Amino acid sequence: GQQVMQIPQYQHVQEGEDFTTYCNSSTTLSNIQWYKQRPGGHPVFLIQLVKSGEVKKQKRLTFQFGEAKKNSSLHITATQTTDVGTYFCAGPGEYGNKLVFGAGTILRVKS
Amino acid sequence: DAGITQSPRHKVTETGTPVTLRCHQTENHRYMYWYRQDPGHGLRLIHYSYGVKDTDKGEVSDGYSVSRSKTEDFLLTLESATSSQTSVYFCAIRQSTGEKLFFGSGTQLSVL
Repeated sequence: GQQVMQIPQYQHVQEGEDFTTYCNSSTTLSNIQWYKQRPGGHPVFLIQLVKSGEVKKQKRLTFQFGEAKKNSSLHITATQTTDVGTYFCAGPGEYGNKLVFGAGTILRVKS
Repeated sequence: DAGITQSPRHKVTETGTPVTLRCHQTENHRYMYWYRQDPGHGLRLIHYSYGVKDTDKGEVSDGYSVSRSKTEDFLLTLESATSSQTSVYFCAIRQSTGEKLFFGSGTQLSVL
């Protein structure tokens, strides 16, 4: 079945440093979504990318969708303590009704 | 929060007992999902529903059953709980007009 792999599993950065998490799918995706989960909270939708090579920005967050639509990345510039949490990528399953999640990247920020 | 309520929020039970988790939504969405979250595995789909009495299996459905007799309620049942089912369970809904999911606050289940 379809697999969505995410790396790294865990990253601990100093406040102000940049952070990047990478997502790779075993199949071509029609779109990819990113979610953030704060410690003790539930996943919250951040963004959806649809087009090959698409780049979207949300303040200090930059999201990219690969040209082949099989990989994606989330880059955070100058991390802040409010960025702490787990970041998940997710892609549509085989029949579109399901969403398959990566294992997530846990981000910790030292102030 | 898209009007999603999960109950209970926390439950401790013993191996072999039946457990039912409830997901209630107030906005009449067609699609509802049950995921479990475990360290190192992210969110894995257990079952989902695409309408009243219409359900399908996800990637980790063994040991779980679901029912949806009303649009607003999606129940997840562990017929005979095992320690491997200790997890955080999230319900999610998807609006018909989009593809993103809205998650409930989760249920922490511990099976001793």
